[in-house]
Amino acid sequence: GAGVSQSPRYKVTKRGQDVALRCDPISGHVSLYWYRQALGQGPEFLTYFNYEAQQDKSGLPNDRFSAERPEGSISTLTIQRTEQRDSAMYRCASSQQQGGEQFFGPGTRLTVL
Amino acid sequence: AQRVTQPEKLLSVFKGAPVELKCNYSYSGSPELFWYVQYSRQRLQLLLRHISRESIKGFTADLNKGETSFHLKKPFAQEEDSAMYYCARENQGGKLIFGQGTELSVKP
Repeated sequence: GAGVSQSPRYKVTKRGQDVALRCDPISGHVSLYWYRQALGQGPEFLTYFNYEAQQDKSGLPNDRFSAERPEGSISTLTIQRTEQRDSAMYRCASSQQQGGEQFFGPGTRLTVL
Repeated sequence: AQRVTQPEKLLSVFKGAPVELKCNYSYSGSPELFWYVQYSRQRLQLLLRHISRESIKGFTADLNKGETSFHLKKPFAQEEDSAMYYCARENQGGKLIFGQGTELSVKP
């Protein structure tokens, strides 16, 4: 079947606007992870879910960032009042179970002007 | 804090030469370690994990607990190996901690 998909692939927004990034995991995958990758750096963990339960949000940089996965499938990462420093590639990954191989989506490149 | 260090941002070798991409991790028990690869215009994907002890595309990686290293090696590099390589360790809940990445460039 299809791999992990993310939308939009590219998002340009103005400072102060809210953005919502979507991740559609592989069907049946229990765990879903969000990472952020700045230019020249490796991905950094943001948060993860098992089914619909958010298990760990320790990587979210501040309270402008939130994520949900209400039905245990699609997840949305929301950034409120965006700032230029939020510009990065946002990556989503899913795994069949916690600790299993993570399959990554293509990422969403966010640019905040 | 758990850390993964990849000291080289860029590694350039000629086709057929041996290649070693370095990775060191901060010590903590028995880590689960991985190498991920991103080829041009493709998504990040798992190359190998130490627990499987496999050789993938000719690459191997040995966990050295004494040196806290997990270097990725290939005896004869190919042009199609050119990519970004990320070393990662698994933390609680399966979340991954990545190194900064090493860009491997294999010249003809």
